[in-house]
Amino acid sequence: NAGVMQNPRHLVRRRGQEARLRCSPMKGHSHVYWYRQLPEEGLKFMVYLQKENIIDESGMPKERFSAEFPKEGPSILRIQQVVRGDSAAYFCASSPQRQNTEAFFGQGTRLTVV
Amino acid sequence: GQQLNQSPQSMFIQEGEDVSMNCTSSSIFNTWLWYKQEPGEGPVLLIALYKAGELTSNGRLTAQFGITRKDSFLNISASIPSDVGIYFCAQRDSSNTGKLIFGQGTTLQVKP
Repeated sequence: NAGVMQNPRHLVRRRGQEARLRCSPMKGHSHVYWYRQLPEEGLKFMVYLQKENIIDESGMPKERFSAEFPKEGPSILRIQQVVRGDSAAYFCASSPQRQNTEAFFGQGTRLTVV
Repeated sequence: GQQLNQSPQSMFIQEGEDVSMNCTSSSIFNTWLWYKQEPGEGPVLLIALYKAGELTSNGRLTAQFGITRKDSFLNISASIPSDVGIYFCAQRDSSNTGKLIFGQGTTLQVKP
């Protein structure tokens, strides 16, 4: 999983600020998934993107959260006006094709809202 | 919707002991995946199972896809300290987009 790069590894934000989490998929991978892990819980799906397209955002909160995967550059998960409840680990996974179950995960970004 | 129930929630064992954990699903699906997450890291795929009854090994790890297709277990033999971590079962979501549904995890601690 070292091939999927996420940054920053740790991010501290005050309530009301914006958080931007970046994910560079493995070389040759065009499918990106974002998951959120709250303390003591499993990972929960948020959004699935391909280059320039959001395919499935059924796990995204309705407000303040957005994601993109531009033609060039990393995928971005953006959280506006963060609240304490947004504190969690956010993981990105990439795969070369949709049906491939061997999606590789990054090391995650740990967001702390103070 | 899909739900995965994983047990036990946590285990504290002595080095050298065998470990068994399991996962049950509310629905029937075609894949069981087992991941390990070490502290501060992302999940790493350990074993993938694709058909009912399948028994697959990866070193000291063995996993089986239950005959009913609603359950799976993961065994670790002769545990060692580096087995410490959280073990998750997962399935592909029925929407066929490749997204995964995870269980709540089993936290394993090994006493040297």
